Amino acid sequence: QVTLRESGPALVQPTQTLTLTCTFSGFSLKTSGMCVSWIRQPPGKALEWLALIDWDEDKFYSTSLKSRLTISMDTSKNQVVLTVTNMDPVDTATYFCARMTTNGPAAFDIWGQGTVISVSS
Amino acid sequence: SYDLTQPPSVSVSPGQTARITCSGDTLPEHYAHWYQQRPGQAPILVIYKDTERPSGIPERFSGSSSGTTVTLTISGVQAEDEADYYCQSTDINDSHYVVFGGGTKLTVL
Repeated sequence: QVTLRESGPALVQPTQTLTLTCTFSGFSLKTSGMCVSWIRQPPGKALEWLALIDWDEDKFYSTSLKSRLTISMDTSKNQVVLTVTNMDPVDTATYFCARMTTNGPAAFDIWGQGTVISVSS
Repeated sequence: SYDLTQPPSVSVSPGQTARITCSGDTLPEHYAHWYQQRPGQAPILVIYKDTERPSGIPERFSGSSSGTTVTLTISGVQAEDEADYYCQSTDINDSHYVVFGGGTKLTVL
């Protein structure tokens, strides 16, 4: 069974760096075609794609947020980590990680339940 | 603004057919996928590669594509189908970049 679970601090102060961890099971990120992405959703708003890392450790970022994002993976721990620098109240959102298999559906077929991040002083 | 355009809302009565459109210049070149999101829950993939239905998704969910528009059709809508629906594709210039539509709220009257 494939599962993903996000973790991170519930509250972050403005200007701080947010570190989010996606812990997954049921698949290997070293398998050709496997990818994990981060997606966020501000309260009452639409989904917004942030970043993606693939089985070859290639990394792709939202153009609008690229300067603030870093995605990495630790295959020994089955984790994908996203850091977001210089957090602002507008970054308050639910942050999801999701799996994509490029040689399968090529869509986000499994999602974590999300973690709510609030940015406030 | 979004690279993929969806109507903000669609309303139908139970048993009727709901059609949710998604338009974008990238769609003739790249597949579209559809997600259902109920309040307080994570999205669920309901259609991938324009027309394919994942296992476990009811047959009343179907997808179609024509030019720059893709359509999610829900036949015989049930109360449990009330949710937000998002289309997703990849950037017209680089398929490594993911784009989402603005979402459509489906209300079952």
